[in-house]
Amino acid sequence: NAGVTQTPKFQVLKTGQSMTLQCAQDMNHNSMYWYRQDPGMGLRLIYYSASEGTTDKGEVPNGYNVSRLNKREFSLRLESAAPSQTSVYFCASSENRLARIEQFFGPGTRLTVL
Amino acid sequence: SQQGEEDPQALSIQEGENATMNCSYKTSINNLQWYRQNSGRGLVHLILIRSNEREKHSGRLRVTLDTSKKSSSLLITASRAADTASYFCALAWGAGSYQLTFGKGTKLSVIP
Repeated sequence: NAGVTQTPKFQVLKTGQSMTLQCAQDMNHNSMYWYRQDPGMGLRLIYYSASEGTTDKGEVPNGYNVSRLNKREFSLRLESAAPSQTSVYFCASSENRLARIEQFFGPGTRLTVL
Repeated sequence: SQQGEEDPQALSIQEGENATMNCSYKTSINNLQWYRQNSGRGLVHLILIRSNEREKHSGRLRVTLDTSKKSSSLLITASRAADTASYFCALAWGAGSYQLTFGKGTKLSVIP
């Protein structure tokens, strides 16, 4: 099992460019999440998908869109990148069933917006 | 936001010593989880404690929860250099809630 995988690992964008961060999990989990982590900060939830076919905003959704493509995949799109979106982005998944609610994290994508 | 606050922000100890870090919060929770993050890596789940539990153990980890004081502590006994990492508490607010709110973390350094 690969667990949660994210692509790319690193990305540099210019202001105004767009890109999609990809996330996939092979644990048959129901729920998936996108977080961002800034220096000295904890993780902040951007969007989440409680189950296939649903998505909801988290704490900091502005400037982002998501797609739950199927049960395995959950992508995060930046339509017009801004320097304030420079961060490390983590995808996570959880079963959220039968009391199995712990989250499993991917390795992260380091994004720099110039 | 209703995040937990870890204390201390940074902790440096000698290998073999115990490490204690704390998490305080302001409103009622359903459960509290602790995660570890090694430098540059994703978070790894360590232990979960529910609001009706007072103490849980997992290997060298001991977690307590005091809902009357709205605080939790994570104790790592007989620390090793490999325990060097940042430790985060994460709060789940309601039954069936899918969202976790993370604190800013405690950075633990274990000196060999």
